[in-house]
Amino acid sequence: GAGVSQSPSNKVTEKGKDVELRCDPISGHTALYWYRQSLGQGLEFLIYFQGNSAPDKSGLPSDRFSAERTGGSVSTLTIQRTQQEDSAVYLCASSGAFHRGAYNEQFFGPGTRLTVL
Amino acid sequence: SQQGEEDPQALSIQEGENATMNCSYKTSINNLQWYRQNSGRGLVHLILIRSNEREKHSGRLRVTLDTSKKSSSLLITASRAADTASYFCATPAGGYNKLIFGAGTRLAVHP
Repeated sequence: GAGVSQSPSNKVTEKGKDVELRCDPISGHTALYWYRQSLGQGLEFLIYFQGNSAPDKSGLPSDRFSAERTGGSVSTLTIQRTQQEDSAVYLCASSGAFHRGAYNEQFFGPGTRLTVL
Repeated sequence: SQQGEEDPQALSIQEGENATMNCSYKTSINNLQWYRQNSGRGLVHLILIRSNEREKHSGRLRVTLDTSKKSSSLLITASRAADTASYFCATPAGGYNKLIFGAGTRLAVHP
């Protein structure tokens, strides 16, 4: 049905608070990706899920960042003790199961704009 | 770290003109993709070119790939005001199709 959805669309928080960002992938998509886009920059990979497991967390910038995925569907990205440099747009994408040597188009959600004051 | 570097960073043209954006990358790739982003939010996949292809067309879009120079270009012909957006090249990496993006080109098409 619908495309990738993310909530909230905008989040303003105070430095030091924790935030949770949610991603609902396209139904049936087993691969899920989180990216971050700082102002005026390109997208930076954060983490990749295949099903509920995360074989690649290499892009998470610090241990304040974590993500989980349950039921092979919804994913939550949590940022603890937010800092001003965490301000960015956080984008989620999903695609079909990964097959080495093949390409599965990634479909992006509208993103969550996080502002840390 | 970013895989691609794009130029120009910003491009301003009139409707009807052609727009050309360039992307360079650093490592070996099996494909390169171009995305469009409106208003700093969701990305839309435009076109994919595989490493064994040199040129690909899709409507008003023409993409070229030169693997010897590790560069690609995106040409938008007969531009329209609705083409105003940021355009990014991206390459898959890490064996999982995670995308590594360039910094993007901001295109403004004036009526």
